[in-house]
Amino acid sequence: EVQLLESGGGLVQPGGSLRLSCAASGFPFINFAMSWVRQAPAKGLEWVSTVSGSDGSTYYADSVKGRFTISRDNSKNTLFLQMNNLRAEDTAVYYCAKSRSAIATAATNYWGQGTLVTVSS
Amino acid sequence: DIQMTQSPSSLSASVGDRVTITCRARQGISNYLAWYQQKPGKIPKLLIYGASTLQSGVPSRFSGSGSGTDFTLTISSLQPEDVATYYCQKYNSAPLTFGPGTKVDIK
Repeated sequence: EVQLLESGGGLVQPGGSLRLSCAASGFPFINFAMSWVRQAPAKGLEWVSTVSGSDGSTYYADSVKGRFTISRDNSKNTLFLQMNNLRAEDTAVYYCAKSRSAIATAATNYWGQGTLVTVSS
Repeated sequence: DIQMTQSPSSLSASVGDRVTITCRARQGISNYLAWYQQKPGKIPKLLIYGASTLQSGVPSRFSGSGSGTDFTLTISSLQPEDVATYYCQKYNSAPLTFGPGTKVDIK
């Protein structure tokens, strides 16, 4: 059974940093692209970033480019999102998501339960 | 970047009705289009990928069609458990943009 367990969310001041983690199990982690998708309160889904499983290529939404870094540790089946220079508009539930393929250009077929990030002074 | 639009933004229909949601890409994306269902307070669930391929375990009353710039998600006979917000997503290239969502409820 595929399981994705996010952690690392919390309250942070504007300009601060957080590192989200996603522990994956139930599938060959290295063989699949992984993504972060966020959802602000009462808003729609927003794609944030994807790292491919094939060559580790990374992709970012313009809204987070230069501030967020996605990475993965295939030896520990863990996905990360380092978030720096956080802004109020980054406040959202952040979902870890597994792609159907090793390449980034694939649909997402499993989602974690999400971790809440609140950016406020 | 290719923007995604959806229409309508919300709809209310009766149980048993046929429901159609439209998703449009500003540029062609071939069939690199997925549909997701998010029930209130729940995580999203993949319904359809490749514009028309039903994800395993999804009821057959859901179907998708389209290619290029125009896509549709159809629920052939709306059920109470289908109350949710439905999102399309392009994945031909980054950014993997979602549509703004269509909220479906029961009349």
